[in-house]
Amino acid sequence: TQLLEQSPQFLSIQEGENLTVYCNSSSVFSSLQWYRQEPGEGPVLLVTVVTGGEVKKLKRLTFQFGDARKDSSLHITAAQPGDTGLYLCAGAFSGSARQLTFGSGTQLTVLP
Amino acid sequence: DSGVTQTPKHLITATGQRVTLRCSPRSGDLSVYWYQQSLDQGLQFLIQYYNGEERAKGNILERFSAQQFPDLHSELNLSSLELGDSALYFCATAGLADNEQFFGPGTRLTVL
Repeated sequence: TQLLEQSPQFLSIQEGENLTVYCNSSSVFSSLQWYRQEPGEGPVLLVTVVTGGEVKKLKRLTFQFGDARKDSSLHITAAQPGDTGLYLCAGAFSGSARQLTFGSGTQLTVLP
Repeated sequence: DSGVTQTPKHLITATGQRVTLRCSPRSGDLSVYWYQQSLDQGLQFLIQYYNGEERAKGNILERFSAQQFPDLHSELNLSSLELGDSALYFCATAGLADNEQFFGPGTRLTVL
């Protein structure tokens, strides 16, 4: 069984602070995606990374894919209350490229 | 709005009953994935269809089945329902690239 570990599970910070969420596996990803989910709604795709060492930026969000393609991180700069939500990483593993395995998620709360 | 639609939004039923959940993909998407999300299990992959054919199976119970129709919409059938089947059920669809999935708003199933 291929597992994705996400940390931290819960994160509560003040508006304006920075934070980093981590996603790790012992297996190599063929691609990795980050999603954001709000209560009662479906996950919304934020980014897909496919190349080891790749860095992608989406406004205040920076996504990094590890050189060995076994880990990824999401960094948020100057967090805002609107960033509150459940952040999920999802990996497609080599050999099962069309199936996604989801991490358990990081519940982020940004307090005003 | 991802362009993926799911009906119904909410479903309340009793144990032992059977329900059908429906998913309409984004225009042009051939793949449909079904997921179950519960508080204690996170987002679990159930099954994937591609252009009408079953492509991959995940943690889907024998009481559950799915199909994809010629117009590419999909239905997930859940039978002999148990209390533990209460969860959010999402479908996600993907295009030819197949490595990016777009989620519908989900169906919240409550089994009483």
